Amino acid sequence: AQSVTQPDIHITVSEGASLELRCNYSYGATPYLFWYVQSPGQGLQLLLKYFSGDTLVQGIKGFEAEFKRSQSSFNLRKPSVHWSDAAEYFCAVGAQRYSTLTFGKGTMLLVSP
Amino acid sequence: DSGVTQTPKHLITATGQRVTLRCSPRSGDLSVYWYQQSLDQGLQFLIQYYNGEERAKGNILERFSAQQFPDLHSELNLSSLELGDSALYFCASSDVGGTEYGYTFGSGTRLTVV
Repeated sequence: AQSVTQPDIHITVSEGASLELRCNYSYGATPYLFWYVQSPGQGLQLLLKYFSGDTLVQGIKGFEAEFKRSQSSFNLRKPSVHWSDAAEYFCAVGAQRYSTLTFGKGTMLLVSP
Repeated sequence: DSGVTQTPKHLITATGQRVTLRCSPRSGDLSVYWYQQSLDQGLQFLIQYYNGEERAKGNILERFSAQQFPDLHSELNLSSLELGDSALYFCASSDVGGTEYGYTFGSGTRLTVV
């Protein structure tokens, strides 16, 4: 069965600093990979997705993620964090085109002034 | 506004009771997914419906059931409620190629069982 691991429960980053959130998946083939963001009291919003092609994908709000097959990773990055980026971030994987998404437990991003 | 509407936003009820959560998918989406989000379990997939039929089942308790109606809205029924059922329940929708394009989530229903 597919699984997703987000090793960091909380991360604190200074405003203006770069950010990398880690995501590792467990699945034999290339899965469908997603990053979602959840602000307090809100639903999940899709940041970006990958299932084929260029391994570096661009998303909304200045985020990008890189798929690395050899490391079974799909890490989320942003070059300069803004205070409004403080939220919880979820990595998700779908094994096949019509399978349901499995979510990691999330990483809470705190932004310090 | 994501286009996925969930009602009610908040629900407080007593143990042993039954509640119904409602979801209207984004226009044009045929699939509806229900997820439960709790602090200890994270986001857990409950059930998926596609165009009125059950497509996939996850960690859904027997006390819980769902259905999707001809107008594509969906309802999640939770019965014999226990304190541990307190959680945020999300509905998401997608078109037929849901995994390829991702899901669109509603803002959730927060259920508190007292």
